[in-house]
Amino acid sequence: KAGVTQTPRYLIKTRGQQVTLSCSPISGHRSVSWYQQTPGQGLQFLFEYFSETQRNKGNFPGRFSGRQFSNSRSEMNVSTLELGDSALYLCASSPLAETQYFGPGTRLLVL
Amino acid sequence: GENVEQHPSTLSVQEGDSAVIKCTYSDSASNYFPWYKQELGKGPQLIIDIRSNVGEKKDQRIAVTLNKTAKHFSLHITETQPEDSAVYFCAARDPYGKLTFGQGTILTVHP
Repeated sequence: KAGVTQTPRYLIKTRGQQVTLSCSPISGHRSVSWYQQTPGQGLQFLFEYFSETQRNKGNFPGRFSGRQFSNSRSEMNVSTLELGDSALYLCASSPLAETQYFGPGTRLLVL
Repeated sequence: GENVEQHPSTLSVQEGDSAVIKCTYSDSASNYFPWYKQELGKGPQLIIDIRSNVGEKKDQRIAVTLNKTAKHFSLHITETQPEDSAVYFCAARDPYGKLTFGQGTILTVHP
């Protein structure tokens, strides 16, 4: 089976812009979770979607949002970008929200 | 919410030695504990996991032990090899499905 794919792999934006990241889960997996990884804060949970419904949410401001489509693909959006949003954004898929398999991530740099 | 503490933050061993990484968690209701290995430029890769009804699990050179009473779990790597060099993360999953990660351990195996 193909692994989790994330696009784009690298992205440069300026403060105030918005960005949309995409994640395609492993075929048959219905749960998609998003994480932010930074050197200072480590891996932090953003949100989880299961069958197009947000099931869990981390402690991030409302500028961070996501959605999941009927084919389980997911997108994450960050509006009004701040310098501190520079990070590696990781998507993980799971068949039933237990064992999670990560994609390679999207590295976002905000200037 | 759940809090996961991971030690040590860096670990340096000689090839062939054993390496042990320890994690503690705060939520006694957490029921699933995966370990991930992350190499430079890649997403975390699941290497072993353990559920709360099991005390120990082994997969070739890797083993994980869980002490529910003390709320800690450990990763043991025997006969380390240079390719084991990476960042290792522990995590704990709460009953709502949210994964909380430790801060990571940078393992360096010297040839």
